[in-house]
Amino acid sequence: GESVGLHLPTLSVQEGDNSIINCAYSNSASDYFIWYKQESGKGPQFIIDIRSNMDKRQGQRVTVLLNKTVKHLSLQIAATQPGDSAVYFCAETRSWGKLQFGAGTQVVVTP
Amino acid sequence: GAVVSQHPSRVICKSGTSVKIECRSLDFQATTMFWYRQFPKQSLMLMATSNEGSKATYEQGVEKDKFLINHASLTLSTLTVTSAHPEDSSFYICSAPRTGGTEAFFGQGTRLTVV
Repeated sequence: GESVGLHLPTLSVQEGDNSIINCAYSNSASDYFIWYKQESGKGPQFIIDIRSNMDKRQGQRVTVLLNKTVKHLSLQIAATQPGDSAVYFCAETRSWGKLQFGAGTQVVVTP
Repeated sequence: GAVVSQHPSRVICKSGTSVKIECRSLDFQATTMFWYRQFPKQSLMLMATSNEGSKATYEQGVEKDKFLINHASLTLSTLTVTSAHPEDSSFYICSAPRTGGTEAFFGQGTRLTVV
């Protein structure tokens, strides 16, 4: 069935290095993608989003890349900090506000 | 600050009892809200769509008689877990999209433990 999935369940990154989190999606009709950060015991926190008519979008220390040809989405975090340790989810919207989440990647920042 | 508030953040209940969880949009009206469930080390799974003034729409496999949803006003949706069992123990999260926008704001989540 249609799904949004991730390649890596856990990513260990040294403080100061760049992180890359990947996500694959299967529904080519999806028109909006979002990355969320979730810290333990909390709700998801919006990081950055991208529409299907774009291939790149930058925020503060984060960049999202969308490759529609291979249905791939990535989140790049520059100069990863200890506070970036969390689980990261990609999500797609198929209708207004209704999200389908990927499996999630645990990012662990080591000193 | 938080734009969607969820209450309580933690609740422990006895097996067989019911628990109500509230989700409020703080500074905007939400005609639609969403309820998700998240088990440990897993992703968020959509349970149902809460519609103000009409019946909720449940995802496949979610028992509507067990998870009662009421969207009585434009700022409040409630999820009641009826006759709770230990397997209902989970993290329940609500979200609300701002009208005219695409971003969904999430509540802080409710950790339900059924003993």
